[in-house]
Amino acid sequence: QSALTQPASVSGSPGQSITISCTGTSGDVGGYNFVSWYQQHPGKAPRLMIYEVSNRPSGVSSRFSGSKSGSTASLTISGLQAEDEADYYCTSYTVSTTVIFGGGTKVTVL
Amino acid sequence: QVQLQESGPGLVKPSETLSLTCTVSGASVNSGSHYWSWIRQPPGKGLEWIGSIYYSGSTSYNPSLKSRVTISIDTSKNQFSLKLNSVTAADTAVYYCSRVGIISMIVRAFDIWGHGTMVTVSA
Repeated sequence: QSALTQPASVSGSPGQSITISCTGTSGDVGGYNFVSWYQQHPGKAPRLMIYEVSNRPSGVSSRFSGSKSGSTASLTISGLQAEDEADYYCTSYTVSTTVIFGGGTKVTVL
Repeated sequence: QVQLQESGPGLVKPSETLSLTCTVSGASVNSGSHYWSWIRQPPGKGLEWIGSIYYSGSTSYNPSLKSRVTISIDTSKNQFSLKLNSVTAADTAVYYCSRVGIISMIVRAFDIWGHGTMVTVSA
């Protein structure tokens, strides 16, 4: 199974909004609303930020939001802050009853 | 507070078997609402799902690793384990264990992660 496609890097200035895309196929992102997003700071374990396309776990800032259109899911970070600088990964359940991750996106706060 | 802790050798020789254990506290691996998973991350690279196990022993594996992977669960010790055989340098990575929320046996999200353990494959 090939990784979901994410841009290698996205950047923005403090206060701006950025969006990270995650493109799959009808067999994963397009076929299921089980897309989740993770934030990973250097040397740390990933942290769940969004599940089931657009739901935020308790404790995650409302500045993080998710959506999906067809086979592409998106994570938007509003009001970008220095602490948001990290790597972000999407993942999806697949028709083969497996899980697939995206290649990851490095977010830089300018 | 649910916590997961990986343990096992940090150095494995090529062609040998990598063995790791994840000890769960604050929750029971007998939960019918969760899978228990292993994910890895080679240095400087992205995350890769290795596989998942249900308390019943039912498993699902990444097709690219399936021939070399075994994930097992010990409900009496509240642990689950990973074995990866015939390792090469390409298996050098940080290995994470994770709890997985499910609904109707479908993976919702990896909601709790261990801190990860670095495993190096080298002679």
